[in-house]
Amino acid sequence: DAGITQSPRHKVTETGTPVTLRCHQTENHRYMYWYRQDPGHGLRLIHYSYGVKDTDKGEVSDGYSVSRSKTEDFLLTLESATSSQTSVYFCAISGLKERGTDTQYFGPGTRLTVL
Amino acid sequence: DQQVKQNSPSLSVQEGRISILNCDYTNSMFDYFLWYKKYPAEGPTFLISISSIKDKNEDGRFTVFLNKSAKHLSLHIVPSQPGDSAVYFCAASALRGAQKLVFGQGTRLTINP
Repeated sequence: DAGITQSPRHKVTETGTPVTLRCHQTENHRYMYWYRQDPGHGLRLIHYSYGVKDTDKGEVSDGYSVSRSKTEDFLLTLESATSSQTSVYFCAISGLKERGTDTQYFGPGTRLTVL
Repeated sequence: DQQVKQNSPSLSVQEGRISILNCDYTNSMFDYFLWYKKYPAEGPTFLISISSIKDKNEDGRFTVFLNKSAKHLSLHIVPSQPGDSAVYFCAASALRGAQKLVFGQGTRLTINP
């Protein structure tokens, strides 16, 4: 298994509070991603990073921000949590391209409930 | 706009038989496809991939077929085993894109003894 950890693994918070989720990798991979998984939608990309301090938006970025100050850490922040952000959040990493392709490896997930 | 679709939310197969999971895509820029397997309370695990220069890729019991003209791919599992019971996601990306994967909704596969 790729060395990816997520913290916390579970969190319950109230509407309007800020929340930060952390993804930590020990693989020294260049790329890191945040996805959310919801029933009927599969996994949807929130934000991704292609290097330290280099980030870009994904498909469902509204209400989320990210930061990457070190290769190994990628933080996802909900500035003011809403009930629609109740979801399971997955971090993923990918590194060197193999034959010009890219395989992403996923962390164990964080289950976030916004009341 | 669902660019990657898995139209079967669930599939039930008898142990030892073949499981066939299907996936359709609409974006002709996609040229790399992956299948992930997911158990409850765990992250998705990479299973097998295929690039658009191929129409078949095999890894043990798992084979992925790609039909570019139909924008369709399928995952075959032979023989199916109880441990294969999981949710399977197909995903697609453009090789020259920004490393962004687009996932289908997933298919829950149940292998019955």
